[in-house]
Order: sequence, then structure tokens, then C-alpha cells
Amino acid sequence: AQKVTQAQTEISVVEKEDVTLDCVYETRDTTYYLFWYKQPPSGELVFLIRRNSFDEQNEISGRYSWNFQKSTSSFNFTITASQVVDSAVYFCALRGPDSWGKLQFGAGTQVVVTP
Amino acid sequence: EAQVTQNPRYLITVTGKKLTVTCSQNMNHEYMSWYRQDPGLGLRQIYYSMNVEATDKGDVPEGYKVSRKEKRNFPLILESPSPNQTSLYFCASRRTAGNYGYTFGSGTRLTVV
Repeated sequence: AQKVTQAQTEISVVEKEDVTLDCVYETRDTTYYLFWYKQPPSGELVFLIRRNSFDEQNEISGRYSWNFQKSTSSFNFTITASQVVDSAVYFCALRGPDSWGKLQFGAGTQVVVTP
Repeated sequence: EAQVTQNPRYLITVTGKKLTVTCSQNMNHEYMSWYRQDPGLGLRQIYYSMNVEATDKGDVPEGYKVSRKEKRNFPLILESPSPNQTSLYFCASRRTAGNYGYTFGSGTRLTVV
């Protein structure tokens, strides 16, 4: 069975601080896909990144960066120099190789950025 | 614009009154799915569909029905809603073949009193 654990329920930071969100996953599949989504207060889900299991390169997109480590089954997400607009719930999710595979979501981490 | 459209965005209803949440996509995606989001639990899959007339249960199907008579539409039906179905619901779609991402609808916030 697949499982995604986001142990941090809520993280509060002051603007311009860096914040790292942890994501640990469990799967028996050798091929799988990892995702991060942002859910702002308006409620929609905003896609941030998809990573294949065979691509362990870390990625940076502006102030966002992702650290994928298969050895520890982790896919952590860092926001550098946080801004108030980063306040949201962030979800990590996992999908297996099957075409009918569901997205297995973690419980989410609430990030609160105060000015 | 490529999108998944859910209606309504907000709905308050009473226990036992049948309701349907509609979902429509304009991307010719084969795969469609419904999720519910609850605090502390993330999103959990209710039902999914691989194509027309091909649906299957997800992790939390009890109390829900779906149908897929047309490729673009995947309605979620609550025959007799109960307060424990109060939740935020998302419809999603994607291509079946290849490593394609999901497109999510804007969500439907349902309250059953």
C-alpha cells in the first residue's frame, strides 16, 4: 500500500524566512510519481511540481526548490525568502505506475507567513 | 481554456435530499476521478473512471455514486446525503497514457445539515 506522511501540521514563519516542508512516502513500486500542490485560502489546488522516481535531480523554480532523496523516501519542499502570498496548505502526493492509479495525498501542511 | 468545471461551488442541503455535483472537462481526458478533502486527512479518492462506462471504487466510495455516459462528464451523486459527507470535493482528470499531470476543478464545498 502507498502512504504519504507530512508530519508537520502547521508551520508559522515571519516574512523572508525560509521554510521547509517535509514529505516522506512509502511504496513498493519502483516506478512512481511524486507531486506537490498548493491550496491557497480560496480553496483551489495549484499544481507545483511532478517528479518521476527515476529522476533524482533536485529542482529549483524561483523561490521554490525540491529535494528528492530515494534513499530516505523523501521529497521535501523549501520556500526561500517566504512571502505572505505563500500562506497556504501544501500537499505532497504519490502515484504508482498504473494508468488507473490514484493520487495518494498526505494530510497537508499549513504554512502561515506573517509580515 | 483547458479546464475542469465543477458545479456548484457551494451547496448547503439537508440530510436525505438527493443531490448531484457535476464535473465536466474539455481536454478529451480518458481518466476522471473524485476526491474529498477533510481536515487532517488530506484528499481521499471516492471513485474514478478510466473511460466511458468504466468506473470503479476508490478508497471511500460509501454513500456515493458516479456515472460516465459521456467522456467529458463525470457527475457525483449523493442519493441520501448525511452530515458525515460534509466536505470539500474535487474532480480531476488526466490522460491515461503517458506521464501526464492531473487537472483539478475548483472544488465544491458541501454542507449537509
